Amino acid sequence: EDKVVQSPLSLVVHEGDTVTLNCSYEVTNFRSLLWYKQEKKAPTFLFMLTSSGIEKKSGRLSSILDKKELFSILNITATQTGDSAVYLCAVEAGTGGFKTIFGAGTRLFVKA
Amino acid sequence: EAGVAQSPRYKIIEKRQSVAFWCNPISGHATLYWYQQILGQGPKLLIQFQNNGVVDDSQLPKDRFSAERLKGVDSTLKIQPAKLEDSAVYLCASSLDSTYEQYFGPGTRLTVT
Repeated sequence: EDKVVQSPLSLVVHEGDTVTLNCSYEVTNFRSLLWYKQEKKAPTFLFMLTSSGIEKKSGRLSSILDKKELFSILNITATQTGDSAVYLCAVEAGTGGFKTIFGAGTRLFVKA
Repeated sequence: EAGVAQSPRYKIIEKRQSVAFWCNPISGHATLYWYQQILGQGPKLLIQFQNNGVVDDSQLPKDRFSAERLKGVDSTLKIQPAKLEDSAVYLCASSLDSTYEQYFGPGTRLTVT
């Protein structure tokens, strides 16, 4: 059965800290891995990763994929209170029609 | 560009009643998804449409859930009859096609009492 596991489940840090969120997966016919940020209801897209070793960056956020070890990390540097959210990892996989499998998320709380 | 629209935003029903949710995707998006997100969990894919055809519905409880996508645009998700364990947020998302990132609507919070 396809699965996506995120760790830690929750994290509390102080403003200015750097955090690393983890996502590991076991799926058949991997296509891509995506990171989303969920603050209230609707997840918003952060990154899509398809190739190993190529870092994607957007401001203070960055992510990288390791297809050999089947994991990805999301880094947030110089955290701000506005980074408080649930960070979701999703993997697209399958044969024929691809489906999306989400992890349970990491709940990040940044203290002022 | 308008986002994904969903209605209603909130719904409270009693068990064994029926309920329907509506989703209007971003214009031009061929792929539409319905997810169920139970509190504290990640979204679980219920059904995925490519235009008006079903790509995946392997996790849709077909004895009580049904979904359709009219003319490859709007979609409705129905639950009949509802159970207590159906209480969740139902998220609709769309993408240009299945190779692109998904854009999510605000969700419908369903409470079954």
